[in-house]
Amino acid sequence: GAGVSQTPSNKVTEKGKYVELRCDPISGHTALYWYRQSLGQGPEFLIYFQGTGAADDSGLPNDRFFAVRPEGSVSTLKIQRTERGDSAVYLCASSVLGLSSGDEQFFGPGTRLTVL
Amino acid sequence: RKEVEQDPGPFNVPEGATVAFNCTYSNSASQSFFWYRQDCRKEPKLLMSVYSSGNEDGRFTAQLNRASQYISLLIRDSKLSDSATYLCVVNTLTGGFKTIFGAGTRLFVKA
Repeated sequence: GAGVSQTPSNKVTEKGKYVELRCDPISGHTALYWYRQSLGQGPEFLIYFQGTGAADDSGLPNDRFFAVRPEGSVSTLKIQRTERGDSAVYLCASSVLGLSSGDEQFFGPGTRLTVL
Repeated sequence: RKEVEQDPGPFNVPEGATVAFNCTYSNSASQSFFWYRQDCRKEPKLLMSVYSSGNEDGRFTAQLNRASQYISLLIRDSKLSDSATYLCVVNTLTGGFKTIFGAGTRLFVKA
């Protein structure tokens, strides 16, 4: 079956621009997670959705970052006024039940964001 | 102090060696624990969940010590294909709902 997909796979933008990163989770998965990963580091938690609502968005670095999941499936991570420090691989994952069940998270291939 | 800390790498071992990775976590209220594997420029994939009773999957054995807030992964009879980064992962449900990854430990298995 289809796994988690993310688009675009690569995004190059200029400092100050707005970007949107899309995640299509595995069908039927109620939980969705966003992370970002810098070279040599583990994924850094950004936000966790249970259904349509953000159960925890405490990992979003600042108010330039925002994520939505309006119908409980596809999610979009939005970054306003991008900065060079936002450059990283943005990973999306989904799981069947969510954190309280401790079930496996399935990751997408990531979007590599480069801010020039 | 980082919430999840792992052994610094890289580990360079010959084929057939046994190698152990350690991980500590700071939040005593953490609920579930995992080891994920990540190949170069790929996404992380679940290797195994970790339980207090210990669990084994073929050549891999994972152990959790809640009292010491310590997680371990043992790989026996290392294969070239085991070369990857191993990520220690902790789920926390107290004071928020989040998954915390360690920085990872790189393993290189040589012929």
